[in-house]
Amino acid sequence: EAQVTQNPRYLITVTGKKLTVTCSQNMNHEYMSWYRQDPGLGLRQIYYSMNVEVTDKGDVPEGYKVSRKEKRNFPLILESPSPNQTSLYFCASMTHRDFGPYLYFGAGTRLSVL
Amino acid sequence: GQSLEQPSEVTAVEGAIVQINCTYQTSGFYGLSWYQQHDGGAPTFLSYNGLDGLEETGRFSSFLSRSDSYGYLLLQELQMKDSASYFCAVRDDAGNMLTFGGGTRLMVKP
Repeated sequence: EAQVTQNPRYLITVTGKKLTVTCSQNMNHEYMSWYRQDPGLGLRQIYYSMNVEVTDKGDVPEGYKVSRKEKRNFPLILESPSPNQTSLYFCASMTHRDFGPYLYFGAGTRLSVL
Repeated sequence: GQSLEQPSEVTAVEGAIVQINCTYQTSGFYGLSWYQQHDGGAPTFLSYNGLDGLEETGRFSSFLSRSDSYGYLLLQELQMKDSASYFCAVRDDAGNMLTFGGGTRLMVKP
């Protein structure tokens, strides 16, 4: 089954404690991306990756890091989380079909930073 | 950069037709997509318009006018299960960035 898997689904942490949210896709997609979703602000892109070892900033990259050492994995790293990073996070991978780009989303990670 | 505007909320009754508009300002444009998100769930792809005109997929249709920087999602024969948030999204010229609108919350009433 084609899927994007994120872990953990829920996470409560404290300010300054480094954390990693993992993301894995089994569709051999080259493009992967991280979004955060906050009420009224829609989905905002944090980082994206066009391929292995190729990453670039999205609209809201501050406070986040990513890596793309393998095609299937695209972890999101918060080196020193702060309360303003409390949000719902989605990982996604993208393919192109006859009708255009198609984003597959993971189930989401709800992060609370106290 | 990119910016997209869509209404924050729309309410309609079961069986009716509803149109959700999306206007965009982009430095480049490479197509308009629509995604549906139910409460507590992940966004799922609905439709894509790369060229002007109407694309139909069952009860859902999407329209694009590139000259007007405008598109809409049309939902027909509304059902209760259509209650969800709907997001429009645009890609930049290079196709690397996908920017989403703030979302429209659709409430379908009996």
